[in-house]
Amino acid sequence: DGGITQSPKYLFRKEGQNVTLSCEQNLNHDAMYWYRQDPGQGLRLIYYSQIVNDFQKGDIAEGYSVSREKKESFPLTVTSAQKNPTAFYLCASSISPEKLFFGSGTQLSVL
Amino acid sequence: SQKIEQNSEALNIQEGKTATLTCNYTNYSPAYLQWYRQDPGRGPVFLLLIRENEKEKRKERLKVTFDTTLKQSLFHITASQPADSATYLCALAHGATNKLIFGTGTLLAVQP
Repeated sequence: DGGITQSPKYLFRKEGQNVTLSCEQNLNHDAMYWYRQDPGQGLRLIYYSQIVNDFQKGDIAEGYSVSREKKESFPLTVTSAQKNPTAFYLCASSISPEKLFFGSGTQLSVL
Repeated sequence: SQKIEQNSEALNIQEGKTATLTCNYTNYSPAYLQWYRQDPGRGPVFLLLIRENEKEKRKERLKVTFDTTLKQSLFHITASQPADSATYLCALAHGATNKLIFGTGTLLAVQP
């Protein structure tokens, strides 16, 4: 059953804490992306990776970090430097930008 | 400045009617435009892509038009059903990088 899996579905962050969101895909896609979705705003690109061991900053990378050690995995760390982390985080993968496959998202909230 | 706009107000229509959603953009020259469906608490699902040199694209009950002069795409769902109720996002691919820019989405509610 091919797809893209995000976990956890809900995550809570304490003040000063780093948290990591998981994203795994078995679609054999080279490219992977992280987006942030806030109410009333379009999806905003945080980071993307077109190949293993390489990634680029998107429009709102400050306060976030990623790694791409395996083709299947693209975890996102929300660091304590991100002062407004509450949002719905979406991971996506693709063969080309012409069709993105999204995971079911992680809702991050601040305690 | 560059902007992509979708109607922020919810669109309420009766079952069986045609729903028409609008995506307008300014100061972009997109190579193509995509439409996605998003259900509450879920990730978007790809529906259709239309290129700059195409006027219209169809898939089952869905139809997308793309007018690069008006800088507008229209998304139509014919014979709408309550199951079509969702938020619909447009996204355009910008320039040489094909970077996707997403609109805010329009909530469609189909009443039985």
